[in-house]
Amino acid sequence: GAVVSQHPSRVICKSGTSVKIECRSLDFQATTMFWYRQFPKKSLMLMATSNEGSKATYEQGVEKDKFLINHASLTLSTLTVTSAHPEDSSFYICSARVPGVSEQYFGPGTRLTVT
Amino acid sequence: GDSVTQMEGPVTLSEEAFLTINCTYTATGYPSLFWYVQYPGEGLQLLLKATKADDKGSNKGFEATYRKETTSFHLEKGSVQVSDSAVYFCALSGGGNNRKLIWGLGTSLAVNP
Repeated sequence: GAVVSQHPSRVICKSGTSVKIECRSLDFQATTMFWYRQFPKKSLMLMATSNEGSKATYEQGVEKDKFLINHASLTLSTLTVTSAHPEDSSFYICSARVPGVSEQYFGPGTRLTVT
Repeated sequence: GDSVTQMEGPVTLSEEAFLTINCTYTATGYPSLFWYVQYPGEGLQLLLKATKADDKGSNKGFEATYRKETTSFHLEKGSVQVSDSAVYFCALSGGGNNRKLIWGLGTSLAVNP
């Protein structure tokens, strides 16, 4: 149980374009999902916390107009990187928290490359 | 605020060696503690957890005990295998409704045959 999927697993886009990443909880309803960014050989950086039906809470230093997060249902959250630049190239990971349980379950990640 | 300090790697061991990865934390209240593992090219997986003092989490031969007196949650395994090569992250779950995870920087482990 507690499986989280992400799509796509890899994406290459051109500078200036937007790309959407989907995060789905497959076998449970996730009232809270989290979006992280992981730099090479570094720990995870929490970007935002996404609650179903409400606006995401962004961490300090994360541009909410650049990284649009939508949590439209209890099983789906999306991250849209708008007007992508090469410095946005990174590994983006989502996680979901099972209601009433403290741990988070992670998706496999999305490798974004902006050319 | 809450924080996690994890021993820096990389750690290189021979197969069947004993492993310890130190993790200490600073937190208000009574956080839950976790070890996550990231195998090469994969996402993070929960390895084990402990939710209160003196709890011992265990999985796949790995163990960690929640020590409130020393604010530690050290990861141990008696005999590592090549397949244990991965990056290990210590984390704590803070308070509040969203229960954000506070992460250590990760420790890379390489096990040689």
